[in-house]
Parts: sequence; C-alpha cells; structure tokens
Amino acid sequence: DVVLTQTPVSLLISLGGQASISCRSSQSLVHSNGNTYLHWYLQKPGQSPQLLIYQVSNRFSGIPDRFSGSGSGTDFTLKISRVEPEDLGVYYCLQRTHNPWTFGGGTKLELK
Amino acid sequence: QVQLQQSGAELVKPGSSVKMSCKASGYTFTTYYIYWIKQRPGQGLEWIGRIGPGSGDTNYNEKFKGKATFTVDKSSSTAYMQLSSLTPEDTSVYYCASGAVALDYWGQGVMVTVSS
Repeated sequence: DVVLTQTPVSLLISLGGQASISCRSSQSLVHSNGNTYLHWYLQKPGQSPQLLIYQVSNRFSGIPDRFSGSGSGTDFTLKISRVEPEDLGVYYCLQRTHNPWTFGGGTKLELK
Repeated sequence: QVQLQQSGAELVKPGSSVKMSCKASGYTFTTYYIYWIKQRPGQGLEWIGRIGPGSGDTNYNEKFKGKATFTVDKSSSTAYMQLSSLTPEDTSVYYCASGAVALDYWGQGVMVTVSS
C-alpha cells in the first residue's frame, strides 16, 4: 500500500499567520492517465472531514483562496495563509491514484 | 444540496454483525460511487472500499475483505455496509462519502462500539 507521511504532526500557529503542511508519498502519485490524485481534507473537532483541495491544487467549491495546494510526484504541500479560528483541526492528505486509497496520518493545527 | 444521512450509533457484542445505512439526497444516487471510511477513536482515517450504486460493482480494501459487505437499495437511494464477526478493534466511527471529484461529501458518521 502507498504510505503517505505528513509533517509536522502538530502545528502551533498564531491567528493571521501562515501554516504549511507536507505530505510525502512512498510512490509517485501520477496516474497512468496523467492526473495526480492527491487531495486534502480538514476535520474540525467533532465533525466529519471536509474536502479542501483536490488533484493537488484545485480548491473545492466554497473553499477560500487562503488555502492552496502544490506539489508533484511524491511531494505535496498544503499552505494556509491568514489562519482563522475556523481553520483549526486535523488536516489529512488522501491519495486515490493507487488501490487501496490511503490517508496520511494527519496534522493537527492549533492556536499558539 | 448533497446530503448523506447515516443511521444511528450502535452498541454490539463481540462476534455479532451490524448493518448501517447511508441515505443520499440532493443528487442522482446512481451517478457517484458511495465510499466507506473507518476512523478509530482519536485516530486517522482508513478507506474500506466503495460501491457503484448503478451497477452494484464493489471494490474492497484487502484489509476489509470478509469484514465489510456493501449493498445498495436504488429505490430509496440508500447504501448499506454490514460488518461481521465484530471485535473490539472494530470500535470506530464509520463514514460514508460520495462525490464527483474525490470524497466530496461526507455523512455524519456512525459510532459502532463493540463491547460485551
């Protein structure tokens, strides 16, 4: 199975600051069709995960442009600028290029 | 808007089975796969597998073959997951999800507690 390693495990950020989360894959996530199926989710406390970014860099409907994704191959990054209170929670990356789909271990974003 | 409404929490005994539901609304049920995801208390996420509501075709994570069984009822736009031979390690929240792009929309989750 593809292993996704997220770093850091936890992140202390001040309101208005910038956060950066890394997701590294044990295999290339480029599909045979040329697409890269790496997505990012946020799970707020007590809630279900919500989709933020799909296919590396595309913001899902309603997601503010403070969230941005980048990367290629095996290295991917989620950046959150101007952190707001509603951004707090656990962030997960997900790959669906290879079966079975796998998630990263999560990064907890907390206020400093 | 797309909604996935899951059934309520379950307390079950070791060795038994449980069947949970995921009712979809706000879109044509047969358009997108329904996916199932497991989350142990305080832990990360695991992909269990998926079912195509139109065709009934299934794809299971090898880890969950023999543990999980997916079915659908197209007439009620409802997907089901049955978990068998339950052990305390199956105590988790189970989510259904769906969507065109990835796991776009999620249900609220079903807490399954396996305890004697």
